[in-house]
Amino acid sequence: AQSVTQLGSHVSVSEGALVLLRCNYSSSVPPYLFWYVQYPNQGLQLLLKYTSAATLVKGINGFEAEFKKSETSFHLTKPSAHMSDAAEYFCAVSGWSAGNNRKLIWGLGTSLAVNP
Amino acid sequence: ETGVTQTPRHLVMGMTNKKSLKCEQHLGHNAMYWYKQSAKKPLELMFVYSLEERVENNSVPSRFSPECPNSSHLFLHLHTLQPEDSALYLCASSQEAGTGSPLHFGNGTRLTVT
Repeated sequence: AQSVTQLGSHVSVSEGALVLLRCNYSSSVPPYLFWYVQYPNQGLQLLLKYTSAATLVKGINGFEAEFKKSETSFHLTKPSAHMSDAAEYFCAVSGWSAGNNRKLIWGLGTSLAVNP
Repeated sequence: ETGVTQTPRHLVMGMTNKKSLKCEQHLGHNAMYWYKQSAKKPLELMFVYSLEERVENNSVPSRFSPECPNSSHLFLHLHTLQPEDSALYLCASSQEAGTGSPLHFGNGTRLTVT
């Protein structure tokens, strides 16, 4: 069964510093990988999606993620953190449910704090 | 109005109450979902509807009863809940179910069961 591991439940960076949020998935290559962001008191919002067209995926708000099959990873990065990036970030991969429908497998999330 | 709208935003109910959560999507999507979000747990998919037909029910207790009268509206009827049901309940929609279409989420209903 598919699984998703987000390393580090809390990450703290200084404003302007590099943001790196880690996501690893289990060995079978999923057709889709996603990063979602959840700002306080809001629902989740899609940041970016990998669909095998390109290994480097660019998303909204300056975020990007690189799919590395050899490392079974899909880490999220942003060159320069902004205070408004403080939020919870979720990695998700597509898997299969018991009814043979494709469903999302979610990581536990990483809380990003940005310090002035 | 655009996107996915959930009401109410907050709900406090006793274990013997009956209440309903409402979700409406204005995106023209064919699939709608209920998720439960609890601290320190992955998002839990509860129900999936595709074109008003329930296509997935992930062993959710019968005290949660979904209803999808049309492709734009989704309800979650609650009765005789337990304190462990306190959580954020998120509604989402997507173009199609089970195809990798991105999910569009509402802001959720924060449910507290006393």
